[in-house]
Formats: sequence, structure tokens, C-alpha cells
Amino acid sequence: GQNIDQPTEMTATEGAIVQINCTYQTSGFNGLFWYQQHAGEAPTFLSYNVLDGLEEKGRFSSFLSRSKGYSYLLLKELQMKDSASYLCAVRDRGYSTLTFGKGTMLLVSP
Amino acid sequence: GAGVSQSPSNKVTEKGKDVELRCDPISGHTALYWYRQSLGQGLEFLIYFQGNSAPDKSGLPSDRFSAERTGGSVSTLTIQRTQQEDSAVYLCASSPGARWDGYTFGSGTRLTVV
Repeated sequence: GQNIDQPTEMTATEGAIVQINCTYQTSGFNGLFWYQQHAGEAPTFLSYNVLDGLEEKGRFSSFLSRSKGYSYLLLKELQMKDSASYLCAVRDRGYSTLTFGKGTMLLVSP
Repeated sequence: GAGVSQSPSNKVTEKGKDVELRCDPISGHTALYWYRQSLGQGLEFLIYFQGNSAPDKSGLPSDRFSAERTGGSVSTLTIQRTQQEDSAVYLCASSPGARWDGYTFGSGTRLTVV
């Protein structure tokens, strides 16, 4: 089966740095994805890791360790608009279907 | 179209009625996915289409749920004899092909069964 764990909620202050962790146990592994979802809106793609290491994209970075079944999403210079749910997802079968965690609700305060 | 379009955006139905949810993917995207999102739960995979065929329908929760895709484009998810536990946001996503490629999600259909 598949098990993807991430914290339910996190809070941080505007301008700070926050790290959202994700651990996974899946029957296979073919990539890990992070999505952002604002309340009432569709999830939007943030990042993708298939090899170990750090992928940086502007204020957002994502890290993967396949041997540890672990990833994190790092958000720098937090802005109020970063308040959203962050979804960790693993592609574990074939090349297509993603299995999602329950998401981490991030609240950024002034 | 420019994005993934879903209709209706909201649907309230009485328990026991059938409902149809529609998804219009991005033009040219061959892969189409249905997920549902219940309050406090993650996205739950329902079914995946590649073209008009569904190689993975393992996530459909019961035989009351069915989906089809015609012309390699529009897909319809049908729920028969709706139950209250079917209340959720039903999200559709598409991608250019079966090899990765990022999903683009639609805004979803919020289904409420009363």
C-alpha cells in the first residue's frame, strides 16, 4: 500500500523561512511532487524531484532522499499569499497516477 | 481550451439521485484523471484515462461510480444512487501524456448530497 505523511498545520511569520516535511512509504517510486492549493481553488504544481538532492525554483526549493523516503518543501521570504495547503504526492505506479498526502495547511501571519 | 474546465462548479442533489460531472481537459492532453477531495482528507484517486481507455480504474469506490471519455477529450463521471458519503469536491486533471508531465487541475465540482 501507500502511506504519505505530512504535518496537518504549520504557522510562520511573514519574511521567515518554513520547511514542510513529507515522508512516504510506497510500493514503488517514480517521482515526488509538491502542489499548492489555496482555499476553494485547484491545486497548482510547484516542484518535482525524481533524483536525490535539492531543486530550487525562486523562493521555493524541494529536497528528496529516496533512501530515507523523505522530502521537504522549503519556502523562503514568506509572503501572506503563501498561506495555503501544500500537498505532497508520489508517483508510484507506472508513469502517471499520483498518490497524495492529506496536505499541510500553512498560515502566514504578519 | 486554455485550462481544464469542469461543470457544474456546484451541485446539490437529493440522496438516491444520479449525477453527472463533466471535465473538459486542455486541448491535446491525452491523459485525464479524476480525484475527489473530502473535508480533512487528501486527494483520493478515482480513475485514469489514456485517450478513451481507462487503464486504471482501481480507485472507483463502488459500482455506483463510472466514467467515460469520448473523442479523447471530454470525460463524464457518473454517480448513481448518490449517498451522503459521496459529498466531496471532485477534481479533474489532465496532462500531455502518460510519462510525466505535470497535472493541470480544474477548479472542481463541489457535490453535496442532502
